[in-house]
Amino acid sequence: TQLLEQSPQFLSIQEGENLTVYCNSSSVFSSLQWYRQEPGEGPVLLVTVVTGGEVKKLKRLTFQFGDARKDSSLHITAAQPGDTGLYLCAGLPSYKYIFGTGTRLKVLA
Amino acid sequence: SQTIHQWPATLVQPVGSPLSLECTVEGTSNPNLYWYRQAAGRGLQLLFYSVGIGQISSEVPQNLSASRPQDRQFILSSKKLLLSDSGFYLCAWSRDRNYGYTFGSGTRLTVV
Repeated sequence: TQLLEQSPQFLSIQEGENLTVYCNSSSVFSSLQWYRQEPGEGPVLLVTVVTGGEVKKLKRLTFQFGDARKDSSLHITAAQPGDTGLYLCAGLPSYKYIFGTGTRLKVLA
Repeated sequence: SQTIHQWPATLVQPVGSPLSLECTVEGTSNPNLYWYRQAAGRGLQLLFYSVGIGQISSEVPQNLSASRPQDRQFILSSKKLLLSDSGFYLCAWSRDRNYGYTFGSGTRLTVV
């Protein structure tokens, strides 16, 4: 069974702090995505990375795909309360995406 | 632009009753369609996916079934609900496997 493990599971930080969320697997992925989900809503796609070592930036969010395409990280700079939510990574090992276990982030004002 | 509609938003059903959740996509043709179930605040489990009308692939054995009667319509059903069917159900579409998913707003199902 292919698994995508995310760490930490829960994270509570103060507004303005920086944080990094990790997504790890023993499988190689042809692409990997990050989503953010708010309570009672469906996940919303943030970014897709496809090349090993690729780095993408989305305002205060920086996404990196591992060189071996087995892992990824999401770094948030100067977190804001609006960043609060469940962050999910999803990897494509073959024909369908598998989702990670999720990191629940809470940013306190 | 493409939109995805999923309903109802919430549903409370007794054990043994039937279920029908509907999902429709607008603004695109021949989308890949997916049904996921999400445990409370956690990752998503793929239940069914479809690459075309009448083509359904089941990922896990369960008390549920799916159908795709039209190109942009995906239905999740059950003949008799179990307590364990409670959860947050999400429909999603994508152009193909290399594109990101667009999710519906989800259905919170509570079986009592």
